Amino acid sequence: QVTLKESGPGILQPSQTLSLTCTFSGFSLSTYGMGVGWIRQPSGKGLEWLANIWWDDDKYYNPSLKNRLTISKDTSNNQAFLKITNVDTADTATYYCARMTEGIGENWGQGVMVTVSS
Amino acid sequence: DIQMTQSPSFLSASVGERVTLSCKASQNINKYLDWYQQKLGEAPKLLIYNTNNLHTGIPSRFSGSGSGTDYTLTISSLQPEDVATYFCLQRNSWLTFGSGTKLEIK
Repeated sequence: QVTLKESGPGILQPSQTLSLTCTFSGFSLSTYGMGVGWIRQPSGKGLEWLANIWWDDDKYYNPSLKNRLTISKDTSNNQAFLKITNVDTADTATYYCARMTEGIGENWGQGVMVTVSS
Repeated sequence: DIQMTQSPSFLSASVGERVTLSCKASQNINKYLDWYQQKLGEAPKLLIYNTNNLHTGIPSRFSGSGSGTDYTLTISSLQPEDVATYFCLQRNSWLTFGSGTKLEIK
């Protein structure tokens, strides 16, 4: 059974760096073709795909946010990470991670709410 | 950037009715189009991938079609549990979602 769970700071201040962790089970990020993606959704609004990391450590970023995003993984501990630098109120959202197989976001975590506020 | 336009934004239909949701891309996306269902307070759930492939465990009343820039999600017989917002996602060039169609029971 595949499960993913996101964790984060809950609240942080503008200009800080947001660090998110995705802890998963039921698959390995060392398996050929496997990936993890990060997606966010402001309350009551649409979805925005942020970044992907693949089994071979290939990384892809949303072009509009690329300069602020860093995705990484810890294969041994079944975790993936996302950092967003210099946050502001527009980064307030629920953040999801998803298992990707053959490029498809098959399984999603429950999401973690992040609020940016001074 | 590929823009995805979903229509309608809101749809109210009766139980048992056939429902069609549309998604239009700003350029050819070569059938790299997925549909997700998001119920209130939940994470999105994959329904259909690559235009017309039903994801594991999804009821057969859901189907997808399309090509080029125009894609459709059809629910053959609407059920109360289908109340949700439906998003399309293109994967041809990066990944961009449509703005969603909110589906309610009349």
